[in-house]
Amino acid sequence: SAVISQKPSRDICQRGTSLTIQCQVDSQVTMMFWYRQQPGQSLTLIATANQGSEATYESGFVIDKFPISRPNLTFSTLTVSNMSPEDSSIYLCSATSGDLAQTQYFGPGTRLLVL
Amino acid sequence: GEDVEQSLFLSVREGDSSVINCTYTDSSSTYLYWYKQEPGAGLQLLTYIFSNMDMKQDQRLTVLLNKKDKHLSLRIADTQTGDSAIYFCADHNQAGTALIFGKGTTLSVSS
Repeated sequence: SAVISQKPSRDICQRGTSLTIQCQVDSQVTMMFWYRQQPGQSLTLIATANQGSEATYESGFVIDKFPISRPNLTFSTLTVSNMSPEDSSIYLCSATSGDLAQTQYFGPGTRLLVL
Repeated sequence: GEDVEQSLFLSVREGDSSVINCTYTDSSSTYLYWYKQEPGAGLQLLTYIFSNMDMKQDQRLTVLLNKKDKHLSLRIADTQTGDSAIYFCADHNQAGTALIFGKGTTLSVSS
């Protein structure tokens, strides 16, 4: 299994500012993902973080708003840019361990409140 | 596109069995997953089932899969107050990489 940590665990931000969330995995993983969980909702995939190339974004999410980096096989960052109150959510990082079941493990999440 | 549906709430008494149901649309799914989210926490993988199996048992958890009806269920035997959480059913997306989640079933266990 993979153990995933995220920083910060929570933050309160002013609208118009940006926040970068860090995700660290304790072992090399094949794939890393960023999800958003809006209050009382399920998880929605934002993008797949690709090592050494640009992230692959899902419909409704764009690079200018959610730039993602993945410099190596154990680390990724997600930036929430030019924040508005609608960006208040839990942001979760996940990684696939590469086993046959493609088991996906999640970080504890970053709870973001935008005022 | 793919879709995963779950009932939203389930309330049981401590010691009873809980059954959480899920339906999915992607008939090519290879694995299906159950995750648990406790208040203020991230997602914990509970169990998964390979699509060629009808049933998988893991201690108090039993997963049943009806591939013909695209129906998945999670049974928790002897439900405890510590089982109170949101349970998510998940399937892979069309690319077979990331996960698509149901809306989650909130399980409330009363003593």
